[in-house]
Amino acid sequence: SQQGEEDPQALSIQEGENATMNCSYKTSINNLQWYRQNSGRGLVHLILIRSNEREKHSGRLRVTLDTSKKSSSLLITASRAADTASYFCATDAIQGGGADGLTFGKGTHLIIQP
Amino acid sequence: DVKVTQSSRYLVKRTGEKVFLECVQDMDHENMFWYRQDPGLGLRLIYFSYDVKMKEKGDIPEGYSVSREKKERFSLILESASTNQTSMYLCASSDSGQGYEKLFFGSGTQLSVL
Repeated sequence: SQQGEEDPQALSIQEGENATMNCSYKTSINNLQWYRQNSGRGLVHLILIRSNEREKHSGRLRVTLDTSKKSSSLLITASRAADTASYFCATDAIQGGGADGLTFGKGTHLIIQP
Repeated sequence: DVKVTQSSRYLVKRTGEKVFLECVQDMDHENMFWYRQDPGLGLRLIYFSYDVKMKEKGDIPEGYSVSREKKERFSLILESASTNQTSMYLCASSDSGQGYEKLFFGSGTQLSVL
């Protein structure tokens, strides 16, 4: 069962601009995570936000979580060409509240134009 | 650094063949996962394991089996490969804790079944 859904599916911006991606999910969660995937490679963990947190920062990344709306956003500030990748949200559902294990969305493909 | 190694980057097999995909992690992680990734469908969980000799079905276990005889190794088995199993297969591992946190992924195996 698909838990998280990212929006938009694709995003193209100019280098230096900020990029915002959103994720919606269906069931109660322990945490929500964001991952990056460069073309044809494995995923790399970016940041984790727990259900009792509302905002978290890591370098140029800012993640927010709204559990009442079951949604999260990932903001990448001052984008660089190297940020071009697909970004996935993943949810760790509370036991019995959904599929066990970590469930990924379909991803947002981000393109940074030089 | 945690390393998750998948035995093959590319694999071509024929319909009906038995296929083994191997995954080894070097960080003594309890949890290991197999996902498949298809365009437009994102990552879908096939099987996961939270301990040696333990396994749990994910969202799409049909046509697959797994083996975890040693803590560091998690194998995915396609008993009789079919063309609809052509996909990118991603192995991941994580430490145990409260829920599933920070998965470390291998580089993936692109499997083509002809």
